[in-house]
Amino acid sequence: GESVGLHLPTLSVQEGDNSIINCAYSNSASDYFIWYKQESGKGPQFIIDIRSNMDKRQGQRVTVLLNKTVKHLSLQIAATQPGDSAVYFCAEKEETSGSRLTFGEGTQLTVNP
Amino acid sequence: DAGVIQSPRHEVTEMGQEVTLRCKPISGHDYLFWYRQTMMRGLELLIYFNNNVPIDDSGMPEDRFSAKMPNASFSTLKIQPSEPRDSAVYFCASSLLEGGPPHFGNGTRLTVT
Repeated sequence: GESVGLHLPTLSVQEGDNSIINCAYSNSASDYFIWYKQESGKGPQFIIDIRSNMDKRQGQRVTVLLNKTVKHLSLQIAATQPGDSAVYFCAEKEETSGSRLTFGEGTQLTVNP
Repeated sequence: DAGVIQSPRHEVTEMGQEVTLRCKPISGHDYLFWYRQTMMRGLELLIYFNNNVPIDDSGMPEDRFSAKMPNASFSTLKIQPSEPRDSAVYFCASSLLEGGPPHFGNGTRLTVT
């Protein structure tokens, strides 16, 4: 069995604060990015996506920012709530890779009431 | 709407036994994906199908793993013989369009003793 696991980056915030979760990617050929939320015992849940011809996209309480120059992606959650506590993953897709996504390691967000 | 449905939710088996995981994708979705999640390696794509045809199986670990999609509403991932290192959570996901965001089921937690 596995004796050592990944230690997820963690972010702890107070309820009502804004959260920023970061993701660095290495493939300059990536043209599509997705943020997922995964709660314990569940599958990843789609939050928001962005294509490389954009640098910002907004959803309900969430904003994704893409900086292609430094290959950096961020997810901003406004007025964070206890229900936002989960592991957040970024995923990227290379333009020529069909539907193959590569997932990041994830960030554990904990919201304190 | 029903999401991606996976069965069983939990599977415990002994080394050497055959394991079959099942998936029903979202109706109308032409792409189906099998992922594996472990603490050591994170989320990895094993294989994906388009219109029931395997497109990319480069993530399938070895010949012990096989996946089939006999029709648009059903897929299986089989491991024969299973080994303790196969212990993981296996997710099925489906998407409507090429390169579109996959929507995940809640996974099958496999334990091989």
